[in-house]
Amino acid sequence: AQKVTQAQTEISVVEKEDVTLDCVYETRDTTYYLFWYKQPPSGELVFLIRRNSFDEQNEISGRYSWNFQKSTSSFNFTITASQVVDSAVYFCAQGTSGTYKYIFGTGTRLKVLA
Amino acid sequence: EAQVTQNPRYLITVTGKKLTVTCSQNMNHEYMSWYRQDPGLGLRQIYYSMNVEVTDKGDVPEGYKVSRKEKRNFPLILESPSPNQTSLYFCASSLIGRGHTEAFFGQGTRLTVV
Repeated sequence: AQKVTQAQTEISVVEKEDVTLDCVYETRDTTYYLFWYKQPPSGELVFLIRRNSFDEQNEISGRYSWNFQKSTSSFNFTITASQVVDSAVYFCAQGTSGTYKYIFGTGTRLKVLA
Repeated sequence: EAQVTQNPRYLITVTGKKLTVTCSQNMNHEYMSWYRQDPGLGLRQIYYSMNVEVTDKGDVPEGYKVSRKEKRNFPLILESPSPNQTSLYFCASSLIGRGHTEAFFGQGTRLTVV
């Protein structure tokens, strides 16, 4: 079965704190793709990152970093030195080459307080 | 400008009155899909299409129909809307030739069925 779990429903941090958003996925496919999207209060969905199942290299983009670990089926997202503009709902998603479905987690609402 | 266009943005309708939400993309993407977003449930895939005349059910297809007669368009049809279909709907498109790529989303359609 294909599933994405984001156990953290809501997280609140104070500005400049680091925060990690967890994502655990399930799939029987050996080829799959993992994504993170951001949904700010304005409502649009913004792509952040894509990873394929053969590339476990971690990635850093400015204050954002991603830790992909196949051993624990996790694809966690860390924001360093959080800012108020980071306040949003963040979704983890998975696409597979088997069913071609594209599955989202339930999202984590991040509130960064000034 | 690369974009996915959904119409209408807001719609209030009555139970049983057929409606269509249009979706169009200008990026020549093969893969298009529809999602509904409900509080606490994240985005759930309704239907997806891998190319013209190829559509398949997502996780919550009941009560919906789609068609893909042209590559750029992927309308969502509610033949007999019910109040439990009140939701925020997103259309998305992406490339799929080398596996799932980032999805481009429309601005969303907020549907209320009374």
